[in-house]
Amino acid sequence: EVQLVESGGGLVQRGGSLRLSCVASGFTFSTFWMHWVRQAPGKGLEWVSRINSDGITRYADSVNGRFTISRDNAKNTLYLQMNSLRAEDTAVYYCAKDFRPYGDYLNFDYWGQGTLVTVSS
Amino acid sequence: QSVLTQPPSVSAAPGQKVTISCSGSRSNIGNNYVSWYQHLPTTAPKLLIYDNDKRPSGIPDRFSGSKSDTSATLGITGLQTGDEADYYCATWDSSLSVGMFGGGTKLTVL
Repeated sequence: EVQLVESGGGLVQRGGSLRLSCVASGFTFSTFWMHWVRQAPGKGLEWVSRINSDGITRYADSVNGRFTISRDNAKNTLYLQMNSLRAEDTAVYYCAKDFRPYGDYLNFDYWGQGTLVTVSS
Repeated sequence: QSVLTQPPSVSAAPGQKVTISCSGSRSNIGNNYVSWYQHLPTTAPKLLIYDNDKRPSGIPDRFSGSKSDTSATLGITGLQTGDEADYYCATWDSSLSVGMFGGGTKLTVL
């Protein structure tokens, strides 16, 4: 059974840092492209970042230069290092697996349960 | 404001049909596949449609997708109260090299 379990969310002050983790199981983690998606309170889904199986990354403009996505295939874990946090980064953060092991298709067949990040001002 | 434009809300009676549109541009919808998600409060989003018009296993054929030029459409027939949710389109933008979701559409089954 495929599972994605996020952790690391919490309350942080503006300008602070936080690292989210997403532990994957039930599939060959190293093969698949992984993403982070967030949803701010009362807002819609927002794509945040992607890392492919070769470690190549992409970021939304809103987080570029502040967030870093990475993966440890030996630990089956996806990370999101968030620095210089702003109030507008307050959201539930989801990790998501693309069902194809190639290409930018945003076909997320599995999602984590989400972890809440709250940035206080 | 999302690059992909969806109507904020749609509504229809049980048993009826509804469509949700998603409008973009050549660099996103025009040159990439579109997927659709159903999102209920406090749950993870669910993939309904991928590659414009394909349904993952387990998704009933009441849900359908189509794409034409720079717009995509999600159709839901035989509406049920359990279909009340937020629906999002998603695609990649080849020029910006970023993923994107539409602003979301809240479906109300009256």
